[in-house]
This record gives sequence, structure tokens and C-alpha cells, in this order.
Amino acid sequence: QQPVQSPQAVILREGEDAVINCSSSKALYSVHWYRQKHGEAPVFLMILLKGGEQKGHDKISASFNEKKQQSSLYLTASQLSYSGTYFCGTSSSGNTGKLIFGQGTTLQVKP
Amino acid sequence: KAGVTQTPRYLIKTRGQQVTLSCSPISGHRSVSWYQQTPGQGLQFLFEYFSETQRNKGNFPGRFSGRQFSNSRSEMNVSTLELGDSALYLCASRLGTSNTGELFFGEGSRLTVL
Repeated sequence: QQPVQSPQAVILREGEDAVINCSSSKALYSVHWYRQKHGEAPVFLMILLKGGEQKGHDKISASFNEKKQQSSLYLTASQLSYSGTYFCGTSSSGNTGKLIFGQGTTLQVKP
Repeated sequence: KAGVTQTPRYLIKTRGQQVTLSCSPISGHRSVSWYQQTPGQGLQFLFEYFSETQRNKGNFPGRFSGRQFSNSRSEMNVSTLELGDSALYLCASRLGTSNTGELFFGEGSRLTVL
């Protein structure tokens, strides 16, 4: 079952913060986050494993609440380079390479 | 090291034809996955191969098939093309089979069916 991302789109000014949510109806083992710029390949941001850990990557961090089957991606002090479409990919098992991606959240950062 | 390479990058076919897309993973990566990307559906999982064996398959009709060779290169084939098959087909490779490893995506093959 495809995870649901919200919001579908968001427009920010440089320096503003944003949160992108990813919810699943199935128990999750891992959540991946990827960013895709227009005309380019998706690029890996981070992986979260069940256990509720939080990870950070520069000014981008994420959390994983396995009880709620939700993950959130936090973008703080956004930069123009953050523009793109963000996808969460979920897996219910660690023994499979299959990832089910959400429909994506388009983020536009304006000067 | 070289990234994931997909060929061809662009192709145009007509309904009823078939198409074969190729993917060369990063050297040393043995797992290859394929995804279909369309504006309305996002990234849809097609299949995953590891050591020449299909490990997972998505919910696509039998017209979609794939294979992996002993050098980990993979191909996917779509027969009897339909207009709705127009999409960007992305290949991704990873080192192992576990979902604790990141996927490295190629730039995709954009298929247009007329």
C-alpha cells in the first residue's frame, strides 16, 4: 500500500522551515527519503529504521514513529538548493529490497 | 566510480510495439530495482533482481518483464505497448538486498508511446 505524503506541494521563502509527512497503513521496518530535482535522478537523503530514531543531514533531519507508522522530514532554514520533489519510500521488512514510494511532495524555495 | 547507467535515455514507440530498456548498476552492486515514474502516480515499483533472480514484483501486468545477467546488468521489457505505458523508467542499484542500504538511481529512460 502506497504511503501518503503531505502536503502535496509547498512554497517557501529562503530561510523558512518546512515539514513533510509520510504515513503508512502498514507496520514499517524502514523509511527512506529521497529528493529529485527536475530532470534528474532521485538522490538519497537518509534512512530511518524502526526504533524511533532521528537522523540529521546538514539542516535536514527526519524522525520515525513506528507506533504511528509515520515519518517526518524537517527542512530548516531552507535554501534555494532544497527545491525539488521529496519522496518517502517505505518497507515492511528488512529482508526485501522492495520500497514503496509515496506520491511525492513538491517543494519550491523562492529568494 | 561510475553511477547507474540507463540506455536509451529517450525513445518513442507506437502502440503494440515492444521495448527493451537496459540498466548497468554501479560496479559491485548486485541488486537492481526498476520503477515507473508518472506525474500522477509517482514512483511505482516494478521488480527487483539480485544475483539473476527476481526477488520481488510489483502490481504490473505480465507485459512487463525483466531479467538480470551474471554481471548484474539488467534489462526490462514491455510488450504490446499501450499509451499508458508512457513514463520515465528508473533503475536503481544497491550493494545488498536489505532495505537498510540506499538506492542509487540512474537518470532514467523516458518512453513515449504514440
